[in-house]
Amino acid sequence: QVTLKESGPVLVKPTETLTLTCTVSGFSLSNVRMGVSWIRQPPGKALEWLAHIFSNDEESYSTSLKNRLTLSRDTSKSQVVLTMTNMGPVDTATYYCARSQSESPYYFDYWDQGALVTVSP
Amino acid sequence: DIQMTQSPSSLSASVGDRVTITCRASQSISSYLNWYQQKLGKVPKLLIYVASTLQSGVPSRFSGSGSGTDFTLTINSLQPEDFATYYCQQSYSLPWTFGQGTKVEIK
Repeated sequence: QVTLKESGPVLVKPTETLTLTCTVSGFSLSNVRMGVSWIRQPPGKALEWLAHIFSNDEESYSTSLKNRLTLSRDTSKSQVVLTMTNMGPVDTATYYCARSQSESPYYFDYWDQGALVTVSP
Repeated sequence: DIQMTQSPSSLSASVGDRVTITCRASQSISSYLNWYQQKLGKVPKLLIYVASTLQSGVPSRFSGSGSGTDFTLTINSLQPEDFATYYCQQSYSLPWTFGQGTKVEIK
C-alpha cells in the first residue's frame, strides 16, 4: 500500500525558512522509476507545482520559486525534504507531496493528506 | 513555462447532465495532459493521464480527449459525487503546470 506522510510546522513567521518532510512507504525512493513532487494550494486557489526530485537525484523547480526552494532525498529513511526560504504571507497554503514516475509519462497518482502552513508574525 | 487555461472557470449542472471542460495549453504538449478531481477540503485525485487513459478505479463516465494544445474532460451522466473542482496539468516539459481549475456546481 502506497502512502505518503508529511511533517513540518503549521505556523512559520515571515522571513523564516520552512522545512517539510515527506516520508513514503509502499514504494522505494531508490526505485529507478519513482520520484516525488511538492505541490501547494493557497486557500481557495488553484494547485501550484513547486518542485520534483527524480530517482537519479536530479531536481527541478518552479521558475518563480527556484531561488527559494531546495529539495533533498534520504533513501535510507524514505524521505524527501523541501526547504523554502524567506517565507511570506503569500506562501500560506496547503502543501502536498505526491508521487510520480521518474520517466514519462509523468502524473501524480498518490498524494499525502496535505498540511496547511500559515505564515504569520 | 507552459500556461494552462481551463474553461469555463465554473459551471452549474444537474445530475444526469453531460459536462465538458476544456483545457488549452500555450504550446503543444503532445498528449501529456493529466486531469485531477478535488472535492472540497480533500486531496486531489488522479482521473486521467496522457490525455485519455483512465486511472484505475475511476468510473467510465469520465473520459478525456485531445492532443497538441486542446484537451477535453467529459463527464457523462453527472453523479452527485462528481461535484468538485477539476484541474488539468501538463507533464510535457518542466516546470510542470496546472490549470486554474473548473468548479462543477449543482444547478
